[in-house]
Amino acid sequence: KAGVTQTPRYLIKTRGQQVTLSCSPISGHRSVSWYQQTPGQGLQFLFEYFSETQRNKGNFPGRFSGRQFSNSRSEMNVSTLELGDSALYLCASSSTVAGGGYGYTFGSGTRLTVV
Amino acid sequence: SQQGEEDPQALSIQEGENATMNCSYKTSINNLQWYRQNSGRGLVHLILIRSNEREKHSGRLRVTLDTSKKSSSLLITASRAADTASYFCATIQWGAQKLVFGQGTRLTINP
Repeated sequence: KAGVTQTPRYLIKTRGQQVTLSCSPISGHRSVSWYQQTPGQGLQFLFEYFSETQRNKGNFPGRFSGRQFSNSRSEMNVSTLELGDSALYLCASSSTVAGGGYGYTFGSGTRLTVV
Repeated sequence: SQQGEEDPQALSIQEGENATMNCSYKTSINNLQWYRQNSGRGLVHLILIRSNEREKHSGRLRVTLDTSKKSSSLLITASRAADTASYFCATIQWGAQKLVFGQGTRLTINP
């Protein structure tokens, strides 16, 4: 079956702009999580959605937001971009809570560069 | 901030040798997972070990978990050039639905 699809793969934005990233989970998976990866901070949890409800949120400013649609697809939005938002943004899907017995399936990520 | 520490941060070995990576964490966990990441790409799930398990095998991978020491190790036997990647441990705490990652170990297999 198809894996987790993230679009776009690469993005260049200017400081102050906003950006929307998209994630389509594996068919049938209802949990979608977002992570930010930077060289300095490593992999950090942003938020997790299950059946359109945000269940967990990481320690990120309110400029970072997300949502999940009824078909489980998810989007994350970053407003008023800062240089420090440059990162690889990864989406992960899971069929059950706590990664079930099978772990999470990650997409290839969106590489965001803020200039 | 990340919960886990991984050791070593970088490891370079010859093809055919075994590679061992260690991970420590700080709080009680439901399970611990290992992921591989090839240069700038997505993470690939390798293996999951639950808090009531002590050892698990999958192909050339062997994972151990010591909850009393809050530590885990990943052993890759008979390494291959294709194993060159970064390896991350990640924990899930009871009642949480998020992965808390370690800093990762960068493994290089030399032909």
